[in-house]
Amino acid sequence: KNEVEQSPQNLTAQEGEFITINCSYSVGISALHWLQQHPGGGIVSLFMLSSGKKKHGRLIATINIQEKHSSLHITASHPRDSAVYICAVVMDSNYQLIWGAGTKLIIKP
Amino acid sequence: DAGITQSPRHKVTETGTPVTLRCHQTENHRYMYWYRQDPGHGLRLIHYSYGVKDTDKGEVSDGYSVSRSKTEDFLLTLESATSSQTSVYFCAIRLGGGSYEQYFGPGTRLTVT
Repeated sequence: KNEVEQSPQNLTAQEGEFITINCSYSVGISALHWLQQHPGGGIVSLFMLSSGKKKHGRLIATINIQEKHSSLHITASHPRDSAVYICAVVMDSNYQLIWGAGTKLIIKP
Repeated sequence: DAGITQSPRHKVTETGTPVTLRCHQTENHRYMYWYRQDPGHGLRLIHYSYGVKDTDKGEVSDGYSVSRSKTEDFLLTLESATSSQTSVYFCAIRLGGGSYEQYFGPGTRLTVT
């Protein structure tokens, strides 16, 4: 069993829909990292959070430490949001990152 | 973008040849990382560095070596390239000051024929 699981693996939605991507983990963590990778592109950091909620524009990330779960939400989705969204956890034992496999999001106009 | 560059951005090489990839940063970050990214896998850590001449292995270090003689440069060497090392290689830095957030370079696409 992977220590970091993302769901869904693939998600296709229409422009304007509210998007939720989930990340569950089974190890003790110091923080959780959400990143974005556009097709053929580089990897961009979106959020690093250790508790509660963070918001940047149309993106919202939440984390529940007790339930070992985080969600990334996109409001008013747009085709330019089409990308792979990656969750990674910072292990509290050695501060290394454990990576999820990513969620591929396609937003259709 | 944390001032991270990687070179070359694309390379095609033959099996058995040595290859060196370079990661350069301009902001004196202490921690630097090399990852590979392959279809069906998440990012996998090859090696990392926590200071000049201080390096350690990641989960997929076999066939790779690294060197860091200056803060700004972290080199990844494939000692004798194999087709299984065809991949996209990303370098990353970690912000300091208690943050574990990592910022990535643009990646190097390596093809071993």
